[in-house]
Amino acid sequence: EAGVAQSPRYKIIEKRQSVAFWCNPISGHATLYWYQQILGQGPKLLIQFQNNGVVDDSQLPKDRFSAERLKGVDSTLKIQPAKLEDSAVYLCASSYHSGANVLTFGAGSRLTVL
Amino acid sequence: GEDVEQSLFLSVREGDSSVINCTYTDSSSTYLYWYKQEPGAGLQLLTYIFSNMDMKQDQRLTVLLNKKDKHLSLRIADTQTGDSAIYFCAEPYSSASKIIFGSGTRLSIRP
Repeated sequence: EAGVAQSPRYKIIEKRQSVAFWCNPISGHATLYWYQQILGQGPKLLIQFQNNGVVDDSQLPKDRFSAERLKGVDSTLKIQPAKLEDSAVYLCASSYHSGANVLTFGAGSRLTVL
Repeated sequence: GEDVEQSLFLSVREGDSSVINCTYTDSSSTYLYWYKQEPGAGLQLLTYIFSNMDMKQDQRLTVLLNKKDKHLSLRIADTQTGDSAIYFCAEPYSSASKIIFGSGTRLSIRP
Protein backbone atom coordinates (compact mmCIF):
# COMPACT_ATOMS: atom_id res chain seq x y z
CA GLU A 1 0.00 0.00 0.00
CA ALA A 2 1.30 3.45 -0.85
CA GLY A 3 2.20 5.63 2.11
CA VAL A 4 1.22 9.18 2.99
CA ALA A 5 2.68 11.56 0.42
CA GLN A 6 3.73 15.09 1.29
CA SER A 7 5.25 17.91 -0.71
CA PRO A 8 7.42 19.84 -0.80
CA ARG A 9 9.97 18.13 1.42
CA TYR A 10 11.83 21.37 2.06
CA LYS A 11 10.87 25.01 1.77
CA ILE A 12 12.78 28.17 2.67
CA ILE A 13 10.93 31.48 2.71
CA GLU A 14 11.31 34.90 4.22
CA LYS A 15 9.07 36.12 6.99
CA ARG A 16 5.76 37.56 5.85
CA GLN A 17 5.76 35.38 2.75
CA SER A 18 3.23 32.61 2.22
CA VAL A 19 3.69 28.87 1.81
CA ALA A 20 1.46 25.87 1.13
CA PHE A 21 1.97 22.22 1.93
CA TRP A 22 0.16 19.34 0.29
CA CYS A 23 -0.75 15.92 1.65
CA ASN A 24 -2.19 12.84 0.00
CA PRO A 25 -3.29 10.30 2.62
CA ILE A 26 -3.54 6.55 2.34
CA SER A 27 -6.47 5.54 0.18
CA GLY A 28 -9.55 4.86 2.29
CA HIS A 29 -8.31 6.68 5.38
CA ALA A 30 -11.12 8.97 6.48
CA THR A 31 -9.17 10.84 9.16
CA LEU A 32 -6.36 13.22 8.27
CA TYR A 33 -4.14 15.15 10.67
CA TRP A 34 -1.67 18.01 10.37
CA TYR A 35 0.96 18.23 13.09
CA GLN A 36 3.64 20.85 13.65
CA GLN A 37 6.95 19.55 14.99
CA ILE A 38 9.39 22.20 16.17
CA LEU A 39 12.98 21.05 16.51
CA GLY A 40 13.49 19.11 19.73
CA GLN A 41 9.78 18.83 20.48
CA GLY A 42 7.02 16.33 19.95
CA PRO A 43 4.39 16.80 17.24
CA LYS A 44 1.64 19.26 18.11
CA LEU A 45 -1.77 18.71 16.54
CA LEU A 46 -2.84 21.65 14.38
CA ILE A 47 -5.97 20.32 12.73
CA GLN A 48 -7.86 17.06 12.31
CA PHE A 49 -10.30 16.23 9.50
CA GLN A 50 -12.87 13.47 9.32
CA ASN A 51 -13.57 13.11 5.60
CA ASN A 52 -13.87 16.76 4.53
CA GLY A 53 -15.11 18.12 7.87
CA VAL A 54 -12.98 19.67 10.62
CA VAL A 55 -13.03 17.67 13.87
CA ASP A 56 -10.51 19.72 15.87
CA ASP A 57 -8.66 22.91 15.02
CA SER A 58 -8.32 24.28 18.53
CA GLN A 59 -4.54 24.75 18.23
CA LEU A 60 -4.47 26.13 14.71
CA PRO A 61 -3.37 29.83 14.67
CA LYS A 62 -6.29 30.85 12.51
CA ASP A 63 -5.03 34.39 11.91
CA ARG A 64 -2.27 32.96 9.70
CA PHE A 65 -2.86 29.23 9.19
CA SER A 66 -5.59 27.67 7.10
CA ALA A 67 -6.25 24.13 5.95
CA GLU A 68 -8.74 22.43 3.73
CA ARG A 69 -9.56 18.94 2.65
CA LEU A 70 -11.70 19.21 -0.42
CA LYS A 71 -13.50 16.03 -1.50
CA GLY A 72 -12.29 14.29 1.65
CA VAL A 73 -9.00 13.11 0.15
CA ASP A 74 -6.02 15.46 -0.38
CA SER A 75 -5.36 18.29 2.02
CA THR A 76 -3.52 21.59 1.87
CA LEU A 77 -2.08 23.55 4.79
CA LYS A 78 -1.30 27.22 4.17
CA ILE A 79 0.59 29.77 6.18
CA GLN A 80 0.19 33.45 5.37
CA PRO A 81 2.06 35.49 6.46
CA ALA A 82 4.81 33.32 7.88
CA LYS A 83 6.67 34.20 11.07
CA LEU A 84 10.10 33.09 12.23
CA GLU A 85 8.52 30.83 14.87
CA ASP A 86 6.72 28.87 12.13
CA SER A 87 10.01 27.18 11.26
CA ALA A 88 9.23 23.51 11.85
CA VAL A 89 8.46 20.22 10.18
CA TYR A 90 4.82 19.90 9.15
CA LEU A 91 3.71 16.30 9.39
CA CYS A 92 0.63 14.90 7.76
CA ALA A 93 -0.86 11.66 9.06
CA SER A 94 -3.92 9.61 8.22
CA SER A 95 -5.82 6.83 9.89
CA TYR A 96 -8.69 4.47 9.23
CA HIS A 97 -10.05 5.40 12.65
CA SER A 98 -11.29 2.06 13.84
CA GLY A 99 -9.97 -0.16 16.60
CA ALA A 100 -6.60 1.12 17.72
CA ASN A 101 -6.66 4.13 15.38
CA VAL A 102 -3.06 3.77 14.24
CA LEU A 103 -1.68 6.86 12.51
CA THR A 104 0.46 6.57 9.39
CA PHE A 105 2.74 9.54 8.90
CA GLY A 106 4.27 11.12 5.84
CA ALA A 107 7.95 12.10 5.79
CA GLY A 108 7.06 15.72 6.55
CA SER A 109 7.67 19.12 5.01
CA ARG A 110 10.48 21.08 6.60
CA LEU A 111 9.88 24.84 6.63
CA THR A 112 12.59 27.37 7.34
CA VAL A 113 11.50 30.99 7.76
CA LEU A 114 14.31 33.56 7.49
CA GLY B 1 -4.65 19.67 30.71
CA GLU B 2 -3.18 17.61 27.93
CA ASP B 3 0.45 16.83 28.65
CA VAL B 4 2.33 13.61 27.96
CA GLU B 5 5.70 13.68 29.74
CA GLN B 6 8.91 11.88 28.85
CA SER B 7 12.55 12.27 29.75
CA LEU B 8 14.50 13.80 26.88
CA PHE B 9 17.57 11.57 26.62
CA LEU B 10 18.66 8.01 27.26
CA SER B 11 22.05 6.47 26.56
CA VAL B 12 22.63 2.72 26.75
CA ARG B 13 25.39 0.32 25.84
CA GLU B 14 24.86 -1.87 22.80
CA GLY B 15 23.38 -5.20 23.88
CA ASP B 16 21.86 -3.82 27.09
CA SER B 17 18.15 -3.20 27.65
CA SER B 18 16.66 0.26 27.19
CA VAL B 19 13.71 1.43 29.24
CA ILE B 20 11.85 4.54 28.13
CA ASN B 21 9.23 5.97 30.45
CA CYS B 22 6.15 8.10 29.91
CA THR B 23 3.47 9.67 32.09
CA TYR B 24 0.14 10.35 30.41
CA THR B 25 -2.89 12.33 31.43
CA ASP B 26 -6.21 10.91 30.25
CA SER B 27 -7.29 8.03 32.49
CA SER B 28 -10.00 7.11 30.00
CA SER B 29 -7.51 6.43 27.19
CA THR B 30 -8.41 3.17 25.47
CA TYR B 31 -5.09 2.69 23.70
CA LEU B 32 -1.59 3.99 24.38
CA TYR B 33 1.07 4.08 21.73
CA TRP B 34 4.80 4.12 21.13
CA TYR B 35 6.06 5.69 17.92
CA LYS B 36 9.64 5.84 16.62
CA GLN B 37 11.17 8.65 14.57
CA GLU B 38 14.44 8.25 12.70
CA PRO B 39 16.36 11.31 11.40
CA GLY B 40 14.61 13.09 8.57
CA ALA B 41 11.58 10.81 8.66
CA GLY B 42 8.05 10.89 9.91
CA LEU B 43 6.87 8.90 12.91
CA GLN B 44 6.30 5.18 12.63
CA LEU B 45 4.17 3.08 14.96
CA LEU B 46 6.24 0.68 17.06
CA THR B 47 3.55 -0.85 19.19
CA TYR B 48 0.42 -0.05 21.17
CA ILE B 49 -1.33 -1.46 24.20
CA PHE B 50 -5.01 -1.67 25.03
CA SER B 51 -5.86 -0.13 28.36
CA ASN B 52 -7.24 -3.36 29.85
CA MET B 53 -3.79 -4.93 29.56
CA ASP B 54 -0.86 -4.56 31.95
CA MET B 55 1.80 -5.84 29.62
CA LYS B 56 2.35 -6.55 25.95
CA GLN B 57 5.37 -8.28 24.47
CA ASP B 58 6.35 -8.15 20.81
CA GLN B 59 9.75 -9.70 20.01
CA ARG B 60 12.34 -7.39 21.62
CA LEU B 61 9.72 -4.89 22.77
CA THR B 62 7.87 -5.04 26.08
CA VAL B 63 5.26 -2.45 27.02
CA LEU B 64 4.19 -2.07 30.64
CA LEU B 65 1.10 -0.10 31.65
CA ASN B 66 0.35 1.12 35.16
CA LYS B 67 -3.09 2.71 34.94
CA LYS B 68 -3.16 3.70 38.59
CA ASP B 69 -0.09 5.89 38.16
CA LYS B 70 -0.80 6.71 34.48
CA HIS B 71 2.64 5.39 33.64
CA LEU B 72 3.69 3.68 30.43
CA SER B 73 7.08 2.19 29.69
CA LEU B 74 8.80 0.68 26.68
CA ARG B 75 11.59 -1.84 27.16
CA ILE B 76 13.85 -2.73 24.24
CA ALA B 77 15.86 -5.87 24.87
CA ASP B 78 19.34 -6.34 23.36
CA THR B 79 19.50 -2.76 22.11
CA GLN B 80 21.18 -2.41 18.72
CA THR B 81 22.64 0.58 16.87
CA GLY B 82 19.61 0.53 14.60
CA ASP B 83 17.45 1.36 17.61
CA SER B 84 18.96 4.86 17.75
CA ALA B 85 16.01 7.19 17.25
CA ILE B 86 13.53 9.37 19.09
CA TYR B 87 10.72 7.48 20.80
CA PHE B 88 7.35 9.13 21.36
CA CYS B 89 4.64 8.11 23.76
CA ALA B 90 1.14 9.02 22.56
CA GLU B 91 -2.42 8.86 23.82
CA PRO B 92 -5.89 9.80 22.65
CA TYR B 93 -7.08 12.95 24.41
CA SER B 94 -10.70 14.04 24.81
CA SER B 95 -11.71 11.78 21.94
CA ALA B 96 -10.54 8.47 20.58
CA SER B 97 -9.32 10.09 17.38
CA LYS B 98 -7.37 13.07 18.76
CA ILE B 99 -3.86 11.74 19.34
CA ILE B 100 -1.36 13.79 21.33
CA PHE B 101 2.35 13.10 21.68
CA GLY B 102 5.01 13.52 24.31
CA SER B 103 8.18 15.48 23.68
CA GLY B 104 10.11 12.35 22.78
CA THR B 105 13.07 10.48 24.27
CA ARG B 106 16.24 10.42 22.21
CA LEU B 107 17.89 7.02 22.53
CA SER B 108 21.59 6.82 21.79
CA ILE B 109 23.64 3.63 21.75
CA ARG B 110 27.19 3.40 23.06
CA PRO B 111 29.53 0.74 21.60
